[in-house]
Amino acid sequence: DAGITQSPRHKVTETGTPVTLRCHQTENHRYMYWYRQDPGHGLRLIHYSYGVKDTDKGEVSDGYSVSRSKTEDFLLTLESATSSQTSVYFCAISGGQTDTEAFFGQGTRLTVV
Amino acid sequence: GENVEQHPSTLSVQEGDSAVIKCTYSDSASNYFPWYKQELGKRPQLIIDIRSNVGEKKDQRIAVTLNKTAKHFSLHITETQPEDSAVYFCAASLGGSQGNLIFGKGTKLSVKP
Repeated sequence: DAGITQSPRHKVTETGTPVTLRCHQTENHRYMYWYRQDPGHGLRLIHYSYGVKDTDKGEVSDGYSVSRSKTEDFLLTLESATSSQTSVYFCAISGGQTDTEAFFGQGTRLTVV
Repeated sequence: GENVEQHPSTLSVQEGDSAVIKCTYSDSASNYFPWYKQELGKRPQLIIDIRSNVGEKKDQRIAVTLNKTAKHFSLHITETQPEDSAVYFCAASLGGSQGNLIFGKGTKLSVKP
């Protein structure tokens, strides 16, 4: 498996609190992504990064912000968590040898109560 | 916006039969089409991919076909086995962006012994 880890793996938080999820890679891949996975919706892109300090919005970016200050780390922040943000969050990386193949992290299950 | 439609959402087959999952995409500039398999509670993993300059690709019991004119691509699994049971996602690259993928909503495949 590609060297990609997410933390935490599970989190329960209260509505209105800030939450930060971390994605760390050891593959030196250029691209990093945050997806959320919900039943009936598949994998939906939240934000992605194409380099250090270079990020862009995906299809469901409202309520989320990201930062990438180092190649290996991509942070996803929920400024004020809502119940609709209860989901499984996957980080992915690409841009290695095959350039386009994306590798996924193990996922983070976030519950907002 | 751009999208990928995937059908069917659920598919049940007998062991040994073939399974076919179909996807259509909207972005004419898409040039990379991967398929991912996600077992229950695990991360999506790439099983096969195809690029726009190829019409068909095979890997043992799995094959993918691409029709760029019609903007659709399909996954074919022959001689299905119980361990093929999982959720399968198709994806298409967005524009010329390497690695920026948009996913279908997934197909839950059940292989009955």
